[in-house]
Amino acid sequence: AQSVTQLGSHVSVSEGALVLLRCNYSSSVPPYLFWYVQYPNQGLQLLLKYTSAATLVKGINGFEAEFKKSETSFHLTKPSAHMSDAAEYFCAVKGGTASKLTFGTGTRLQVTL
Amino acid sequence: GAVVSQHPSRVICKSGTSVKIECRSLDFQATTMFWYRQFPKQSLMLMATSNEGSKATYEQGVEKDKFLINHASLTLSTLTVTSAHPEDSSFYICSASRFDRGIADTQYFGPGTRLTVL
Repeated sequence: AQSVTQLGSHVSVSEGALVLLRCNYSSSVPPYLFWYVQYPNQGLQLLLKYTSAATLVKGINGFEAEFKKSETSFHLTKPSAHMSDAAEYFCAVKGGTASKLTFGTGTRLQVTL
Repeated sequence: GAVVSQHPSRVICKSGTSVKIECRSLDFQATTMFWYRQFPKQSLMLMATSNEGSKATYEQGVEKDKFLINHASLTLSTLTVTSAHPEDSSFYICSASRFDRGIADTQYFGPGTRLTVL
């Protein structure tokens, strides 16, 4: 069984500031981890994924995430926020060969001037 | 690559009618597709897992007779909401699973369908 906890349902940053969205996971088998972004009234877009090849994963739009097994974390970061980054972000985990994704509750990122 | 489409993007229907939503993987074949439901400001709730050529597997609490799923080909899955009622109004999102680089399968999502039942 697996689960995901996203700390902070709402995060607000200034444009140009560091973005840090937190995700902690629990999995009984080696996990595969994903970050998705959802803009209003749209589906989910894959930002990046961890599949055990490298612990630091780079994704689209300047985002990256680091897999830390000791901390069971997969936090999403971006050095400099842009207004267009305002959206809902979901962390998800898949346990081994299981096909289902387990999603976190989401974090809404607000970017202010 | 990995584009998934949904049709229609928005539908309004009267109570008691049935609505069909299509999910297509446009540039890859997907043996497995998923259907989710999303309530306002909430996360995605998995409704069912659809495998090509076999019956869908429904999550606990999802009425299989109300939400009919058909996965007739490797690029098309359909969700039919039968005898829709206002409480079925929601945002429905599908995803298609693609096996990436022999490592793990990744779900790619469609743009969603907003269903409003009057």
